[in-house]
Amino acid sequence: GAGVSQTPSNKVTEKGKYVELRCDPISGHTALYWYRQSLGQGPEFLIYFQGTGAADDSGLPNDRFFAVRPEGSVSTLKIQRTERGDSAVYLCASSPTGARYTDTQYFGPGTRLTVL
Amino acid sequence: GIQVEQSPPDLILQEGANSTLRCNFSDSVNNLQWFHQNPWGQLINLFYIPSGTKQNGRLSATTVATERYSLLYISSSQTTDSGVYFCAVHNNAGNMLTFGGGTRLMVKP
Repeated sequence: GAGVSQTPSNKVTEKGKYVELRCDPISGHTALYWYRQSLGQGPEFLIYFQGTGAADDSGLPNDRFFAVRPEGSVSTLKIQRTERGDSAVYLCASSPTGARYTDTQYFGPGTRLTVL
Repeated sequence: GIQVEQSPPDLILQEGANSTLRCNFSDSVNNLQWFHQNPWGQLINLFYIPSGTKQNGRLSATTVATERYSLLYISSSQTTDSGVYFCAVHNNAGNMLTFGGGTRLMVKP
C-alpha cells in the first residue's frame, strides 16, 4: 500500500512569509506526528495528533508554528513569519493507533524548507 | 527528558565488512526503533525492538532494556547500506520518538 506522502518536497521562501506543509498519512492510521530535522542531527518532535485533536504539541518551538488535522487524515503544518532558523527538513510520520507500547511510526520523505 | 546517544558518530567500512552500532538511553523505554536514512533523506524502518533480538537478512538488532542499550549489527556490508542509522525511543513521557544523533556509515566498494 501507499506510504506516508508529503508535499511539497522542497519549499523555498523568503523571511517573513507564511508557508504550509502537507502530510498524507497511511490510510487508516489514527496517529500522526510532525518532526523537524536540522542538518546533521536526528529528527526532533514537534506535535502529535490522535484523530483530529492535537494530543501533544509540546515540541512546537513557538506560536509561529501551528498544525491542523481537521478530518483525522491529512494534516497541515503552518509556519507564520518564517525565519532563517526555520530552515530544515520537516518530517511527517503516522502509526496505526498511537499506542505507546506497541506502535511503529512510519515516516514520509519530508519537505525541505529553505528560508532565504 | 530522555537522552539517546549513538556511537560511533561516523564509520567507514570496506564492502563485505561487519559492524556494530550502539545506542545508549538514559531511562527505561517502552519502545525502541532503528531506522536507516538513505542518501535521499527517507527514513526506513529497520526494527521495532523494545527488548530481545531480531534478525532481518544481513541485519540484526538486540536490545537489553534493563541495561539501557541496543545494538545494530550489519554483516557483509554493501555500498547500499551507506547512509545514517538512527535509534529512536519512546518512554513514559509521551508518544513521541526521541532520536539519537545517528551513526553516519559509508561503505566503500
